[in-house]
Amino acid sequence: IVLTQSPGTLSLSPGERATISCRASQTVNNDYLAWYQHKAGQAPRLLIYAAASRAAGIPDRFSASGSGTGFTLTISRLVPEDSAVYYCHRYGGTPFTFGQGTKLEIK
Amino acid sequence: EVQLVQSGAEVKKSGESLKISCKGSGYIFSKYWIGWVRQMPGKGLEWMGNIYPGDSGARYSPSFQGQVTISADKSTSTAYVQWSSLKASDTAMYYCARRYTASKIDYWGQGTLVTVSS
Repeated sequence: IVLTQSPGTLSLSPGERATISCRASQTVNNDYLAWYQHKAGQAPRLLIYAAASRAAGIPDRFSASGSGTGFTLTISRLVPEDSAVYYCHRYGGTPFTFGQGTKLEIK
Repeated sequence: EVQLVQSGAEVKKSGESLKISCKGSGYIFSKYWIGWVRQMPGKGLEWMGNIYPGDSGARYSPSFQGQVTISADKSTSTAYVQWSSLKASDTAMYYCARRYTASKIDYWGQGTLVTVSS
């Protein structure tokens, strides 16, 4: 299954909302779709799993939705520390795959 | 506290062999899969494969099958990925990551930078 994210880069101002799309080439069974935040020099951080469930400790500014082949990550009320690359990730059936990443820049 | 601690950065020459490690602590190592993820310079995350330390069963992404070997030693709670003959194109950051069966990755190692010169 190929995951295609859009846009590739997003440049927004603090307080705005970011919307990142992840489209799968085939149905993602059981909605086994996660989102990760990856900052340079750090390990990726789990934000969302099972398409829409927030991981422990993740602020409610991060939300996600979707099912089947289309998924969306929304980050509201952007703050400077949200600058990162965001990846969607299909799990539950090998080989696992990642989207190509969306770079979010906060102006 | 769950931790995955990876071995340090490596600088190698093409043709050399290499084995990097990922030591788990704070959980029952044999009951969770350990996966390996590659990030080439300026690129995204790529799933390489994973291993279940309980039975040492390894599964590989087609792109990495035959290119690396993933192994684990449950007695030391350590997983490994090794190369028999490195190429310059193996230059990348490598992350290990933990997941439960049919579940998402929930913990990551800090990454091991591998630099291969030709």
